[in-house]
Amino acid sequence: GAVVSQHPSWVICKSGTSVKIECRSLDFQATTMFWYRQFPKQSLMLMATSNEGSKATYEQGVEKDKFLINHASLTLSTLTVTSAHPEDSSFYICSPTLGSPGGETQYFGPGTRLLVL
Amino acid sequence: QKEVEQNSGPLSVPEGAIASLNCTYSDRGSQSFFWYRQYSGKSPELIMFIYSNGDKEDGRFTAQLNKASQYVSLLIRDSQPSDSATYLCAVIGGSYIPTFGRGTSLIVHP
Repeated sequence: GAVVSQHPSWVICKSGTSVKIECRSLDFQATTMFWYRQFPKQSLMLMATSNEGSKATYEQGVEKDKFLINHASLTLSTLTVTSAHPEDSSFYICSPTLGSPGGETQYFGPGTRLLVL
Repeated sequence: QKEVEQNSGPLSVPEGAIASLNCTYSDRGSQSFFWYRQYSGKSPELIMFIYSNGDKEDGRFTAQLNKASQYVSLLIRDSQPSDSATYLCAVIGGSYIPTFGRGTSLIVHP
């Protein structure tokens, strides 16, 4: 399977600070990058979709000015949680997708656990 | 509203038995179907994907797709305690954005 890395794996920060999460697809070029958030005992919640070089498309209810997504290349995407608050504490997972529509394969990074104090 | 439905479980099976996980979806235009396994505190890992009607086998896992009835299932043969996890069904349709079910918790007891 494809190798995806996320950094950092754990973040503890004070309320009001910004946190940057990096996602890299190490052995393939991702056509599309999805960012998910998962609260305890709940399913994955899609936050946004981005393609390399384009602005991200955010899901309803996700503040684009708070969750900044940069898809700099086909192998790197970043999610910045700006002015984080305790309610932003969650498990953030990137998901690079390989392939063309109808033949995609979606992989997941190992996730970043964010705790905002 | 595109929906993917899974029974939350838990589904409990004895070691060595066949575990059957089911998933139904609402979007008839769906093209790609995925099964993921997620251990507690970890991110999902891909088990299988299937695009065409019928069965697809990979080791102890068999995915079954029936587009007419809009369901996809995952069979796990010779279940092991290490198979205990939450299994997520994901469907990609015309929007090319995956929709996930809430997952089915599987418990394989010795």
